[in-house]
Amino acid sequence: NAGVTQTPKFRVLKTGQSMTLLCAQDMNHEYMYWYRQDPGMGLRLIHYSVGEGTTAKGEVPDGYNVSRLKKQNFLLGLESAAPSQTSVYFCASIHQGQLEAFFGQGTRLTVV
Amino acid sequence: GQQVMQIPQYQHVQEGEDFTTYCNSSTTLSNIQWYKQRPGGHPVFLIQLVKSGEVKKQKRLTFQFGEAKKNSSLHITATQTTDVGTYFCAGRAAGNKLTFGGGTRVLVKP
Repeated sequence: NAGVTQTPKFRVLKTGQSMTLLCAQDMNHEYMYWYRQDPGMGLRLIHYSVGEGTTAKGEVPDGYNVSRLKKQNFLLGLESAAPSQTSVYFCASIHQGQLEAFFGQGTRLTVV
Repeated sequence: GQQVMQIPQYQHVQEGEDFTTYCNSSTTLSNIQWYKQRPGGHPVFLIQLVKSGEVKKQKRLTFQFGEAKKNSSLHITATQTTDVGTYFCAGRAAGNKLTFGGGTRVLVKP
């Protein structure tokens, strides 16, 4: 039982490049979330999903797209990376009707 | 939209002393959660409060939910070096949107 797994753990991108971050959970959770964490800014919600095939915008969605084609996977895409997107990205999942969010280990992304 | 704010942003504590961190929401919350993130790690769930005025304890940690369900506090007694980390509160609103506060980063002086 791996819990929540994020891929990759580290990545360096050049400005304008694209990439996809993968979040996979094996707990059959309905809800999944993508956050970014910057120094002094806490965890800011980018996008989230309450079920397969559904997504919604969070606080800071601009420059990101997401997809939830399978219940266990939540993908975060950057179409044209910018230095302002340098951050640590965390994925989390929650089981419907339960309490806690389970987090992945994070992806440290640097855009140069 | 919903905003969750935490104070202080940083807390320097002498080992053995007590401290409190506060969480305030711009809207009424159905529940509030607290998480701890160790340096270099990911947030880990500590507790959830649901009822107005609820108080819960975990060893040296005391969590409280305000009467109006718009604020919460975390009080740690006899701080230890193992308490180092960032403590986040998170509010869950309609639509299952989970919004985190900015966190309180705790540094312990031995």
